[in-house]
Amino acid sequence: EVQLVESGGGLVQPGGSLRLSCAASGFTFSSYWMHWVRQAPGKGLVWVSRINSDGSSTSYADSVKGRFTISRDNAKNTLYLQMNSLRAEDTAVYYCARDGVYAIPDFDYWGQGTLVTVSS
Amino acid sequence: DIQMTQSPSSLSASVGDRVTMTCRASQSISNYLNWYQQKPGKAPKLLIYEASSLQSGVPSRFRGSGSGTDFTLTISTLQPEDFAAYYCQQSYTTPLTFGGGTRVEIK
Repeated sequence: EVQLVESGGGLVQPGGSLRLSCAASGFTFSSYWMHWVRQAPGKGLVWVSRINSDGSSTSYADSVKGRFTISRDNAKNTLYLQMNSLRAEDTAVYYCARDGVYAIPDFDYWGQGTLVTVSS
Repeated sequence: DIQMTQSPSSLSASVGDRVTMTCRASQSISNYLNWYQQKPGKAPKLLIYEASSLQSGVPSRFRGSGSGTDFTLTISTLQPEDFAAYYCQQSYTTPLTFGGGTRVEIK
């Protein structure tokens, strides 16, 4: 059974940093591209970042470029999101999601999400 | 960036109704369109990929159609478990973008 479990969320002050983790199991993690998607309270879904299967290629939403870094450790089956210079508008539930096996990118499995609150 | 616009933003319907919602892209995205269902407090779930292909395990009452800029998600016979928010998402180019969602509520 595919499982994605996020951790690392919490309360952080503006300008602070946080690292999110996503532990994957039930599939060959090193074969899949992975994504982070976030959702502010009561709002819609926003794509944040993606990484290819071996970690050599990444892309970001403009709103986080230069502040967030996506990475992965295929030996540990874990995806990461390092978040620096956090702002109030980064407050959201952060989901990791697997890019599926189909011809176009999609999010076929999601974690349960971890809440990040940026506030003083 | 490609903007995705969903309509309506919410709708009220009864169990057994046929429900249709639309998603419009700001430029042509071929069939690079996915649909997700999200229930309160839960992660989204993939329903339809490549505009019209049903994800494994998703009931056949869900149907996706469209190509280019205009897409539709139809629920043929609304069931109690279908009351949720539905999001479209384009995969034509980064940044990957979602529509604002359609919330299906109980009438």
